[in-house]
Amino acid sequence: AQSVTQLGSHVSVSEGALVLLRCNYSSSVPPYLFWYVQYPNQGLQLLLKYTSAATLVKGINGFEAEFKKSETSFHLTKPSAHMSDAAEYFCAVSERGATNKLIFGTGTLLAVQP
Amino acid sequence: DTGVSQNPRHKITKRGQNVTFRCDPISEHNRLYWYRQTLGQGPEFLTYFQNEAQLEKSRLLSDRFSAERPKGSFSTLEIQRTEQGDSAMYLCASSSSGSVVYGYTFGSGTRLTVV
Repeated sequence: AQSVTQLGSHVSVSEGALVLLRCNYSSSVPPYLFWYVQYPNQGLQLLLKYTSAATLVKGINGFEAEFKKSETSFHLTKPSAHMSDAAEYFCAVSERGATNKLIFGTGTLLAVQP
Repeated sequence: DTGVSQNPRHKITKRGQNVTFRCDPISEHNRLYWYRQTLGQGPEFLTYFQNEAQLEKSRLLSDRFSAERPKGSFSTLEIQRTEQGDSAMYLCASSSSGSVVYGYTFGSGTRLTVV
């Protein structure tokens, strides 16, 4: 079964510093991969997605992620953190040609210090 | 496009009571999904519909849970004889295509507290 592992349930960075949130997937076939952001008491908003068109994917709010098949990783980065980036971030995977359900990681809570 | 709407936003109920949640997807979306999210966890898949047909149910969906989408538009999720373990955020999402490539649009969720 598909799964994703998010290393680090809590990450704290200073405003202006690099953001790096880690995600590794388990699949013998490159799946579809997603990053979602969730603000308190809100639903999930899609940040970006990998669907094999390009290994470096750019998303909203200055975030990007790189698909690395050799490392089975899809880490999320942002060059310079902003206070408004403080939220919980979820990596998700879906099998190609399957029932289209998303399997989510346990999430990483990002804190941004002034 | 008003997005995915979920009602109520919050529900507090006593153990043993029945509760029903409603989800109104984006009007042109034919697929609708229910997820459950507990504190400190990612959302877990419960079930999904294509139009009015319920195509898959998770093992998480015990016989106390039932979901419907009678006319392929809005959906309801009912929990009978609620238990404290049912306390969670219930998220609804919809998509416009059979391919997950297009991604889901999530609603803001219904937070259920069973006391």
